[in-house]
Amino acid sequence: DGGITQSPKYLFRKEGQNVTLSCEQNLNHDAMYWYRQDPGQGLRLIYYSQIVNDFQKGDIAEGYSVSREKKESFPLTVTSAQKNPTAFYLCASSPDRVLTEAFFGQGTRLTVV
Amino acid sequence: GQQLNQSPQSMFIQEGEDVSMNCTSSSIFNTWLWYKQDPGEGPVLLIALYKAGELTSNGRLTAQFGITRKDSFLNISASIPSDVGIYFCAGQLGGAQKLVFGQGTRLTINP
Repeated sequence: DGGITQSPKYLFRKEGQNVTLSCEQNLNHDAMYWYRQDPGQGLRLIYYSQIVNDFQKGDIAEGYSVSREKKESFPLTVTSAQKNPTAFYLCASSPDRVLTEAFFGQGTRLTVV
Repeated sequence: GQQLNQSPQSMFIQEGEDVSMNCTSSSIFNTWLWYKQDPGEGPVLLIALYKAGELTSNGRLTAQFGITRKDSFLNISASIPSDVGIYFCAGQLGGAQKLVFGQGTRLTINP
């Protein structure tokens, strides 16, 4: 079945360590997005990519990095520079570069201790 | 970043009641989307709206794209227990390649 797969579902890391969250889609979507969700809040955009080998910063990009080497994959690295990394991270994709509808993965809950 | 004001923040209703929630902004949007999120899961798209004044239904859900393009509402009729969750509106600003999300409406249903 087509869809967006995020892994792992739960991730624990020690403070000061970098960690990479995986996002893969087999929907042949051009655009992919990473959002952060904190308890009781809406979604905030971290990075997005409309085409392979290109990406743009969202509203809260500091302390994060991404790559888009393949159309299907858009991994997010949470670096040690991110001051408050514990959150629920959501990956999404949309069919074309002109955003219409975004479809989300199941999310990764990152806990930094 | 751009803000969407979603209200109410939470609702506590009895099973069978109708529900109404809305999102407003000072900016004009080209697209409005409504999502539902269950605990620990990603949001699921419920309804997408593309034209001012558009009224679209999906089963017991009905959403409208406001005439001014600055607001949208979602109605749920005859609520059932599985409607429990957090509902988010999202809008695409003209020319922008990203969505702006509301803060969410948490729906709780008493059986």
